[in-house]
Amino acid sequence: GESVGLHLPTLSVQEGDNSIINCAYSNSASDYFIWYKQESGKGPQFIIDIRSNMDKRQGQRVTVLLNKTVKHLSLQIAATQPGDSAVYFCAENRGQAGTALIFGKGTTLSVSS
Amino acid sequence: DAGVTQSPTHLIKTRGQQVTLRCSPKSGHDTVSWYQQALGQGPQFIFQYYEEEERQRGNFPDRFSGHQFPNYSSELNVNALLLGDSALYLCASSARDRASYEQYFGPGTRLTVT
Repeated sequence: GESVGLHLPTLSVQEGDNSIINCAYSNSASDYFIWYKQESGKGPQFIIDIRSNMDKRQGQRVTVLLNKTVKHLSLQIAATQPGDSAVYFCAENRGQAGTALIFGKGTTLSVSS
Repeated sequence: DAGVTQSPTHLIKTRGQQVTLRCSPKSGHDTVSWYQQALGQGPQFIFQYYEEEERQRGNFPDRFSGHQFPNYSSELNVNALLLGDSALYLCASSARDRASYEQYFGPGTRLTVT
């Protein structure tokens, strides 16, 4: 069935580098996208979200870009720190606000000092 | 302000048994969603409760059932456990009455079926 997927299962970067994590989605009707960070043994933690009527949104050290033409989503992390090491998931919402989220498989980000 | 809480944190059950997992939503939230996360995978939506009724359901068998209480807390019940039910079960809460998209997750309950 349709799902949100990520391009790379793992990404290794050096501390201080910028990281880019990519995600492709298949349902053009999706109207809301979220990036979650999940550390080992914990639940997913909200990072940043974006509505389909936007193409860019910035937070603290993070930026999400949405390209609806090619159905692609990316998360950029500036000045990556060891504490950023985790699994990152993109998720999409296809219906009414607060309804089911469809998750991809995740990208494991490893940051070395 | 407590976030989403879940209990227990870990649970070991035997095939064929039944299990009940519990979730308390974040203060101010009225909607609870349950997800199953197998090892190395993204969370899979099980169902969502709002106003004490199941409002949306994912592709899970009837062995998975739930309940929401007047205080918005929720339970997930799984009957006739299978080995494949071993997973991290996540609860997420949101504020449907405010048309908010944000869903906040609890730490999860790790269920092991032997």
